Amino acid sequence: DAGITQSPRHKVTETGTPVTLRCHQTENHRYMYWYRQDPGHGLRLIHYSYGVKDTDKGEVSDGYSVSRSKTEDFLLTLESATSSQTSVYFCAISSVEGGLGYEQFFGPGTRLTVL
Amino acid sequence: QQQVKQSPQSLIVQKGGISIINCAYENTAFDYFPWYQQFPGKGPALLIAIRPDVSEKKEGRFTISFNKSAKQFSLHIMDSQPGDSATYFCAASIGNYQLIWGAGTKLIIKP
Repeated sequence: DAGITQSPRHKVTETGTPVTLRCHQTENHRYMYWYRQDPGHGLRLIHYSYGVKDTDKGEVSDGYSVSRSKTEDFLLTLESATSSQTSVYFCAISSVEGGLGYEQFFGPGTRLTVL
Repeated sequence: QQQVKQSPQSLIVQKGGISIINCAYENTAFDYFPWYQQFPGKGPALLIAIRPDVSEKKEGRFTISFNKSAKQFSLHIMDSQPGDSATYFCAASIGNYQLIWGAGTKLIIKP
């Protein structure tokens, strides 16, 4: 998975609790993304980062925050988890170098269940 | 205008047949059109991509056909194999690193 790890891989939590998902890359890529994947919706961008401490919102950012203090780590936080945030979360990275420059490499995903 | 509409949602093809998945878009500013393949339990992976200055790109059994005037692009899988069974996503972007994704097509190749 192109030097991308996500932790945890599975998590069950209760409504109202905070949750943090971690994405770690060893590729030194500039861009990092958090997506959620739900049946019938494909992949929806939550937040992305274009450098250390540089982040921006995606199409479904409500209820989520992110931080990137190091090139290799991108954290996604659900401040107060809700059942609608039950999903599979994918981290992705991309770089300006190589190929068309837009290829995104995905991590293995985190399956989050909010009860 | 930012949407990418993908069809069909699911597709069953006999081994050796041709699998065809279609995508349509509205925003003529899109300049990069990739297809990603996802196996169960894995993240998506880039399969093939095209820019609008060409009408077709072929890599092995996989071909993207691009129709700029119709604002459509499609993925053709020739001689489909059971190992091609996966979910396929089309996407588009406008000169930056944010992809707009289709909803996905679950492809099953019957032996």
